Amino acid sequence: EIQLMESAGGLVQPGGSLRLSCAASGFTFSSYWMHWVRQAPGKGLVGVSRINGPGTYTGYEDSVKGRFTISRDNAKNTVFLQMNNLRVEDTGVYYCARANWNDELADNWGQGTLVTVSS
Amino acid sequence: SYVLTQPPSVSAAPGKTATISCGGDNIARQSVHWYQQKPGQAPVGVMYYDGDRPSGIPERFSGSSSGNTATLTISRVEAGDEADYYCQVWDSTSDNSWVFGGGTKLTVL
Repeated sequence: EIQLMESAGGLVQPGGSLRLSCAASGFTFSSYWMHWVRQAPGKGLVGVSRINGPGTYTGYEDSVKGRFTISRDNAKNTVFLQMNNLRVEDTGVYYCARANWNDELADNWGQGTLVTVSS
Repeated sequence: SYVLTQPPSVSAAPGKTATISCGGDNIARQSVHWYQQKPGQAPVGVMYYDGDRPSGIPERFSGSSSGNTATLTISRVEAGDEADYYCQVWDSTSDNSWVFGGGTKLTVL
């Protein structure tokens, strides 16, 4: 069974930092692109960042470029999202998602973790 | 970047058919994927590559695409189908590749 388990989020002040992790199991982790998708309260889904299987390519949504860093540890089957200089508008549920074989779609999702940026 | 437009809401009575549209420039040239999200839950894929149902998704769910509109059709709607539905495409011009529509709330009357 494929499982994706995000770490706990939390409350962070504007300008602060937080690191999310997503532990994967049930598949050959290093063979798959992994994504982080954000959902602001009452809003829709937005792709935030992605990383390829070897960890040699990363991509970011424009609003997080220069502030967020995605990485992975294939030995530990874990993907990370380091979030720096957080803004109020970064508030939301962050989902870890596995992409299918060609990165076109999400075929498995974590349960999500809530990040609240507020003073 | 590529933009996907969905109606905010649709409704259907139990046993009837619900259609959820997703508009985008020449969207028929892209593969469109659909996700269902119930309150407090993670999204779940209900249609991939325009018309392929993932394992476990009822045959009542179908998909199509033509011109500038992709459509998710739910036949014989049930109360359990009430949820938010999102379309998604892979955008080669986007750094992050996944583009989602704004979502459509399906209300079962």
